Parts: sequence; structure tokens; C-alpha cells
Amino acid sequence: NAGVTQTPKFQVLKTGQSMTLQCAQDMNHNSMYWYRQDPGMGLRLIYYSASEGTTDKGEVPNGYNVSRLNKREFSLRLESAAPSQTSVYFCASSEAGGGRSKTQYFGPGTRLLVL
Amino acid sequence: RKEVEQDPGPFNVPEGATVAFNCTYSNSASQSFFWYRQDCRKEPKLLMSVYSSGNEDGRFTAQLNRASQYISLLIRDSKLSDSATYLCVVNKGGSYIPTFGRGTSLIVHP
Repeated sequence: NAGVTQTPKFQVLKTGQSMTLQCAQDMNHNSMYWYRQDPGMGLRLIYYSASEGTTDKGEVPNGYNVSRLNKREFSLRLESAAPSQTSVYFCASSEAGGGRSKTQYFGPGTRLLVL
Repeated sequence: RKEVEQDPGPFNVPEGATVAFNCTYSNSASQSFFWYRQDCRKEPKLLMSVYSSGNEDGRFTAQLNRASQYISLLIRDSKLSDSATYLCVVNKGGSYIPTFGRGTSLIVHP
């Protein structure tokens, strides 16, 4: 099993460009999450999907959109990138169900630089 | 008060030392507790869950104190390979969303 995979690993964008970060998991998990991690700020939740067909905003959703394409895939889109979106982005999945979160499994991250 | 607070460190200890980290949480309805480890420029990975009665995994011991609302991680006989950032994670009942602390940095030196 590959676990959680993310593409791309690195990306450089110019201000105003758009891009989609891809995430897929092969563990049959219900819930998926997108985080960003900045120095000194810890992990901050951008969006999450408790189950296939649902998405909800996290702590820092502005400037992002998500799509839960199917149970395996959860993508994050930056419509018009800004330098403030320079960060490391992690996707995660978990078995969460019944309103409880369980262990999260993280992808290797995407390092994004917006110039 | 932040929901989950950790001392960022760094904790700088020699090999073989015992070191302990605490993590405090503000929501008394919290039900699930975890410690994750994150190596430099890598993704977080689960180190261990924290159970009400406390639990041990080799050199690592985790404890929960509900009355004072904190969890702890004790590392005995520190190894160079234990150098990493340790993230405290708390989840309140009825929520799909875990709350991460900002992490405690541990540096184990020869």
C-alpha cells in the first residue's frame, strides 16, 4: 500500500497563477484533510472532508477550494496564488467515523513557493 | 488561551538522558489524545496514542491527566535518532477535527 500520496512534491508559482494539489489514499479511509504548515505556526487545517460527498472549511480556508472527487481523492485548488500561500501543504486521511477522529496518516507534503 | 499548548523548546539533551514533554489542552470535552513525531522536512507520523490509564511503548511512556488537562511524553535512554519535533494532538468528542499543538523540538547530542 502506498498510503497517502501527494503531487507535485515541489512547485513554484507566480502571483496570480492557479494550480491544483492532488492527494490520494489507498487505505479506504472516510475522512481526508488538507493542512498547511508554516514556521512557528504549526499545522493549520484548510479544509476537510468527513466523508465522500462532503467538504467543510477549516481554520484557514480563504484563497482555497477543494474537491472530494471520490473516496480516494481529495484535491486542493489555489485559484489565484499569493505570496502568503507559500507554505508546505500536507494531505492526511483517517478512518474517522461516528463523529470521532482517529489516527491520521499524512502524505509527504507539497512545498509551494509563490513569487 | 490556545486550545493545545506545547513548549516549543528546543530541549537539548545528551544521549542516554531521560526527557519529558507536557502538552496542555483547554477543552475539557476532549476525548482522544495522540503524540506524533515530525522529522525535519518530513510529514508527521503517529508515535503513540495516549490512553486514560497511561501507556508505554518501549522507551516511550505517555500519560493523561484529565483533572489538570494535560498529556505528557517521557522518553528514556534518548537516542540520536529521537531528534525530531513532537506534536501533541487532541480531539474533542463529536468532532472529526484533531487540534495540533505547535510542537516541541528535541535535539539529542552525542
